[in-house]
Amino acid sequence: ETGVTQTPRHLVMGMTNKKSLKCEQHLGHNAMYWYKQSAKKPLELMFVYNFKEQTENNSVPSRFSPECPNSSHLFLHLHTLQPEDSALYLCASSQEWVDTQYFGPGTRLTVL
Amino acid sequence: QKEVEQNSGPLSVPEGAIASLNCTYSDRGSQSFFWYRQYSGKSPELIMSIYSNGDKEDGRFTAQLNKASQYVSLLIRDSQPSDSATYLCAVTGQAGTALIFGKGTTLSVSS
Repeated sequence: ETGVTQTPRHLVMGMTNKKSLKCEQHLGHNAMYWYKQSAKKPLELMFVYNFKEQTENNSVPSRFSPECPNSSHLFLHLHTLQPEDSALYLCASSQEWVDTQYFGPGTRLTVL
Repeated sequence: QKEVEQNSGPLSVPEGAIASLNCTYSDRGSQSFFWYRQYSGKSPELIMSIYSNGDKEDGRFTAQLNKASQYVSLLIRDSQPSDSATYLCAVTGQAGTALIFGKGTTLSVSS
């Protein structure tokens, strides 16, 4: 498998559930990112990991918890989400953290 | 607050015409500039990157950068219906900050 993959592609969850989004990159990149894309809004950067270390957290609520066990894998743990958290969650990677970013297909999340 | 501004559109052009997409940015120290294309329901895909003033051509696409005016544009020649998508402008700031995306311009090419 090549590029950036994300699972699941679609997720429906209740506000009391706990779920995790997974991202894997097969490009040998050192930086990985989580973005949120809501309708009519620009892409919102959530978290940046560079060489497995979190370098940026854009005031994201604590109900979103990232995890980066190695340079190839990135998780986003979700708990007690709100309906307004429904969005497309995109993972991206780049060789270095200011380089061209390549995106995964995204996870469409619906919070009921 | 560093910003990237794009006209949301929609920009409508007939097939075969030139589509011109524009983007302005607020951080004068920005170093790298990217154009992404995003089809409805899909993730963004990179079309062009540009780093220095002037024009950069790749097939039907030309990116233009003017750092003095803090302006970057994307020209699409011989527009095709398959070019209909949202085009996102993205800019890195100085000192290695992560990409900042504009809201995107929706392009519609009619046959």
